[in-house]
Amino acid sequence: AQKITQTQPGMFVQEKEAVTLDCTYDTSDQSYGLFWYKQPSSGEMIFLIYQGSYDEQNATEGRYSLNFQKARKSANLVISASQLGDSAMYFCAMREGDRGSTLGRLYFGRGTQLTVWP
Amino acid sequence: DAGVTQSPTHLIKTRGQHVTLRCSPISGHKSVSWYQQVLGQGPQFIFQYYEKEERGRGNFPDRFSARQFPNYSSELNVNALLLGDSALYLCASSPPYKETQYFGPGTRLLVL
Repeated sequence: AQKITQTQPGMFVQEKEAVTLDCTYDTSDQSYGLFWYKQPSSGEMIFLIYQGSYDEQNATEGRYSLNFQKARKSANLVISASQLGDSAMYFCAMREGDRGSTLGRLYFGRGTQLTVWP
Repeated sequence: DAGVTQSPTHLIKTRGQHVTLRCSPISGHKSVSWYQQVLGQGPQFIFQYYEKEERGRGNFPDRFSARQFPNYSSELNVNALLLGDSALYLCASSPPYKETQYFGPGTRLLVL
């Protein structure tokens, strides 16, 4: 079974509007972390935001927020006030294991290509 | 601070050859992980090293090997290259006691 599912191959949003990128995950672990990365055409994976499974509040980083719904096993990324430079591939990822441990592999989804138009 | 660096940026090899990819982690990071990203897919985990020991291995054949050096830099080696090894190879490092992995720019390998 897929650990991370991203059902939107592509999304389009107008500049200055908000957009939600969907992510669902599958794990039987109680302790895990969820991540979102941005990958421009250059290829580098840029870390955006992290949510721990025990975090009660949704994570926020500037224009990025993570809508964490544990019971539904979803971790959607919300980008507010989209900018042209936000156009890129976005990946949701999960790491199983204890918080504070540097060990553990990331499982990635297939990504969502976001296009921001003027 | 400098980010994760990888070399070379691009590489073209022919089937059957051997390749070595290099990665230098962010200063202070002791954990290095390698991922393979085939076109159109998300990255797939290959290896994780911590304090020079292998701490995780993904579902890759024995043609793939890696090591970590005392300065925490790492090499990924791939023997007997196949066309299907063509991909972007990403290296990531993690700070102590933190879960987040920070990625380098990647090495694009093309096998002809």
